[in-house]
Amino acid sequence: NAGVMQNPRHLVRRRGQEARLRCSPMKGHSHVYWYRQLPEEGLKFMVYLQKENIIDESGMPKERFSAEFPKEGPSILRIQQVVRGDSAAYFCASSTTGSGTEAFFGQGTRLTVV
Amino acid sequence: GNSVTQMEGPVTLSEEAFLTINCTYTATGYPSLFWYVQYPGEGLQLLLKATKADDKGSNKGFEATYRKETTSFHLEKGSVQVSDSAVYFCALSPPGANSKLTFGKGITLSVRP
Repeated sequence: NAGVMQNPRHLVRRRGQEARLRCSPMKGHSHVYWYRQLPEEGLKFMVYLQKENIIDESGMPKERFSAEFPKEGPSILRIQQVVRGDSAAYFCASSTTGSGTEAFFGQGTRLTVV
Repeated sequence: GNSVTQMEGPVTLSEEAFLTINCTYTATGYPSLFWYVQYPGEGLQLLLKATKADDKGSNKGFEATYRKETTSFHLEKGSVQVSDSAVYFCALSPPGANSKLTFGKGITLSVRP
């Protein structure tokens, strides 16, 4: 059973471009969480999704950021018109239940905006 | 709001040394407390947890005790190994809201042979 897969592992975007980060949860997991780690800071919760539903997006910036978890395929975190401040490591976690404590984390995507 | 504070790093120890990594928290009520570990090139893994005051979480020789009076959850190991080299994150989850974890900044531990 493969773990949580995130891709790409590293992503470089120029200012103004779009970044799309993918997360394939573990088999049988229908709950996905996204966290962001800015330089010199801890991981911060962004959004919690179940299949086709956003359950909690209280940590998402109000503009330019969106997330989805379609019925088929990976969860996508989309950042439009990236700025230098978006440079960070983005981690995805998945679980079979709504408890984040039992979630399994991916290796993360490191986004660099130049 | 909720927050987690970890001691500044990085930490470098010799093999078989005693390890303490400090963690304090701010939260209302009785949160659950966790230590996660990230080995090089891998995702975060749950190392141990405690869900109520005075509980002791333990795993792989690591221990941490939930201290409500000092709002702390310090991680300890009696004898570290080179394979313990990793980044360690302290985290909390408030009661009734397990879908969100609040993390500390993490600390890098390097163990020399």
